Amino acid sequence: GQQVMQIPQYQHVQEGEDFTTYCNSSTTLSNIQWYKQRPGGHPVFLIQLVKSGEVKKQKRLTFQFGEAKKNSSLHITATQTTDVGTYFCAGLGSGGSNYKLTFGKGTLLTVNP
Amino acid sequence: DADVTQTPRNRITKTGKRIMLECSQTKGHDRMYWYRQDPGLGLRLIYYSFDVKDINKGEISDGYSVSRQAQAKFSLSLESAIPNQTALYFCATSKDVSSYNEQFFGPGTRLTVL
Repeated sequence: GQQVMQIPQYQHVQEGEDFTTYCNSSTTLSNIQWYKQRPGGHPVFLIQLVKSGEVKKQKRLTFQFGEAKKNSSLHITATQTTDVGTYFCAGLGSGGSNYKLTFGKGTLLTVNP
Repeated sequence: DADVTQTPRNRITKTGKRIMLECSQTKGHDRMYWYRQDPGLGLRLIYYSFDVKDINKGEISDGYSVSRQAQAKFSLSLESAIPNQTALYFCATSKDVSSYNEQFFGPGTRLTVL
């Protein structure tokens, strides 16, 4: 079945440093979504990427979808303590498997003030 | 998201007991999902439903059952709970038809099986 790998599992940074998490799928995706889960909270949708090579920005966050639609990344510029949490990518399969999201295991980001 | 609620929020039970977790939503969404979250394992899909009476197995359905008697409600049951079902359980919803829809998660139910 479809697998979505996400690295790194953990990342600790000093406030102001940049952060990147990477997501790779074993199969071509229809789209990819990113979610953030604050400590003690529930996942909250951040963004969805659909087109090959797509790049989207939300303030200090930059999301990319690979040309082959099998990988994606989330980059945070100049991290802040409010960025703390676990970031999940979730891929929607193409063709006959496009009915459910497959989540990566997430990257836990901690920020030292 | 306050539009998706889960009860109970916390539950401690013993091995062999039957447990039901409830999910309700006021978003009017047709699609509902149950996920399980374990440390380091991310979110794994247990069951999902695209409409009332529609039930589909996810990747880890063994030991669980679900019921979708109304659009707004999706319940998850553990017929005979075992310790390795100790986890954080999330219900989620999404709009119908299109595949390109975000999921809205409930606050979660923390279940401990002793």
